[in-house]
Amino acid sequence: DTEVTQTPKHLVMGMTNKKSLKCEQHMGHRAMYWYKQKAKKPPELMFVYSYEKLSINESVPSRFSPECPNSSLLNLHLHALQPEDSALYLCASSQVLTGTDTQYFGPGTRLTVL
Amino acid sequence: SQQGEEDPQALSIQEGENATMNCSYKTSINNLQWYRQNSGRGLVHLILIRSNEREKHSGRLRVTLDTSKKSSSLLITASRAADTASYFCATPKEEYGNKLVFGAGTILRVKS
Repeated sequence: DTEVTQTPKHLVMGMTNKKSLKCEQHMGHRAMYWYKQKAKKPPELMFVYSYEKLSINESVPSRFSPECPNSSLLNLHLHALQPEDSALYLCASSQVLTGTDTQYFGPGTRLTVL
Repeated sequence: SQQGEEDPQALSIQEGENATMNCSYKTSINNLQWYRQNSGRGLVHLILIRSNEREKHSGRLRVTLDTSKKSSSLLITASRAADTASYFCATPKEEYGNKLVFGAGTILRVKS
């Protein structure tokens, strides 16, 4: 199974809402990633977890809060977002964090902040 | 700064033609990867070429790497309408925990 699943597929939220994005993989990968992608732009890395520990935080605002409850699951908690946070949020995983491993991407969550 | 920059930004060809996309990067690399993204979907890994390799093939894909020019090219032969997608090159930044940095991408449209 080489699939990364993400839920929900679409999310509309107000600026005062709290919501969470969920990502799951069952490939035994120990590195998991969150990316943000605006229209017609490349993905931008937000966070990386390696062996369930936060390894990279790309100076992301605190209104985005990642969580890795176990090796298969990655969450992104959202609170007090701004309209400019509207984007496609992609989750990915790889065997380990070495830079030579293929990253497997989920289909993404399309987030709209009103 | 963006590590990989691609050209052209957009490419429109007829089915059956070949498509070539180029990627340039600024600093030395361990490897370079190419990914495809269908509209609004996740990325799919296509091919990885290591810094000591000059050319690599996978099906209808051919990737070249010229480390002296800090550039790579992706050739798709005998294109199909299903190849319509955005194509990104990506390089790992060892000094930043091996995070992948993606180029700006090339939007390929294959007309049937």
